[in-house]
Amino acid sequence: AQKITQTQPGMFVQEKEAVTLDCTYDTSDPSYGLFWYKQPSSGEMIFLIYQGSYDQQNATEGRYSLNFQKARKSANLVISASQLGDSAMYFCAMREDGALIDAGNNRKLIWGLGTSLAVNP
Amino acid sequence: EPEVTQTPSHQVTQMGQEVILRCVPISNHLYFYWYRQILGQKVEFLVSFYNNEISEKSEIFDDQFSVERPDGSNFTLKIRSTKLEDSAMYFCASKGTGAGYTFGSGTRLTVV
Repeated sequence: AQKITQTQPGMFVQEKEAVTLDCTYDTSDPSYGLFWYKQPSSGEMIFLIYQGSYDQQNATEGRYSLNFQKARKSANLVISASQLGDSAMYFCAMREDGALIDAGNNRKLIWGLGTSLAVNP
Repeated sequence: EPEVTQTPSHQVTQMGQEVILRCVPISNHLYFYWYRQILGQKVEFLVSFYNNEISEKSEIFDDQFSVERPDGSNFTLKIRSTKLEDSAMYFCASKGTGAGYTFGSGTRLTVV
């Protein structure tokens, strides 16, 4: 079974509109972290936002927010006021911490297939 | 802002040749990783490295791959005998005690 599922291969949004990119995850670990990365056409991987499984509030970073619904195992990325420069691939990733809450330091990231976002002028 | 630096940005190599991909992680980070992304596909974990030894490796990371931190600053990935299917973008990442993983800009490896 896929650990990270991104069901939207491609999305379009009008400039200045908000867009939600979906991500669902599957883990039995009580402690885990969820990440979103942006990959523009130039290829680099840019960190956007992080949500810990025990965080009480949804994470926000500028125009990015993470809609974390733990019971549904979803961690959707919301981009507000889209800009042309937001056109890129967006990846959701998860770190599983194992049984120990503090064991997350040396864990790998598990990635989804990504969503290609195109912002139209 | 501190960066992870990868060199070269592009490399073309003949099948069967050895390649070394280089990374300079963020100086106070302790955990280091290599990932690869075959064109149009998902990002795949290769190996993690901590305290001068491999912490975890994937099934992709077979005997043709090795990692080294030769001088306390560089972190290298060596592919001994490249195959066509090794063509991919290779990302180095480093992590401190915080949550975030910082990625380099990647090395695009093309095996011909």
